Amino acid sequence: GAGVSQTPSNKVTEKGKYVELRCDPISGHTALYWYRQSLGQGPEFLIYFQGTGAADDSGLPNDRFFAVRPEGSVSTLKIQRTERGDSAVYLCASSLKGHRAYTDTQYFGPGTRLTVL
Amino acid sequence: AQSVTQLGSHVSVSEGALVLLRCNYSSSVPPYLFWYVQYPNQGLQLLLKYTSAATLVKGINGFEAEFKKSETSFHLTKPSAHMSDAAEYFCAVSGAGTYKYIFGTGTRLKVLA
Repeated sequence: GAGVSQTPSNKVTEKGKYVELRCDPISGHTALYWYRQSLGQGPEFLIYFQGTGAADDSGLPNDRFFAVRPEGSVSTLKIQRTERGDSAVYLCASSLKGHRAYTDTQYFGPGTRLTVL
Repeated sequence: AQSVTQLGSHVSVSEGALVLLRCNYSSSVPPYLFWYVQYPNQGLQLLLKYTSAATLVKGINGFEAEFKKSETSFHLTKPSAHMSDAAEYFCAVSGAGTYKYIFGTGTRLKVLA
């Protein structure tokens, strides 16, 4: 079946602009996660959704970052007043049950490469 | 608290040689451990995972890893490297029943002809 998809694959923006990154999880997966991967680093957790609600947003770096998942499927990561330090690959993952299943596995999308000039 | 250390940011092996990628973890709770592979311009693909069942875990593409609690290690091995194995490999840890994966910094594997 279809995996996790993310759009756009690449996004170039200017410092100070607003951007939205979209994630389509695997159909039927209730849990959705956003990670950020900076150059030469492993992915770092940003936020976790169980259904429509953000169960854990402790990884969001500051209040310029916000994410929504209004219908419990597609999610959008929103970044306001972008800074050059926001440049990274933003990865989305989904899993069947999230923290409700001890052996749940996260399936990752291809990521969106964000470049802030 | 949990953390992962991957020794060697770059590893080169000859085609047909043994692949050994090292991962050591730290966890205050029983860990779940994962190895993911990332090919250029692609997402992370799960190779294998340890979730407290068998300590020797077999994954896709001929890879396997052994959980050694006494050494806090979860090294990834493959008996014979193929050119197609060239990629970046990430080890990750989560606590049993938790959702937040903590990733290592990755090891880039190069396979020499």
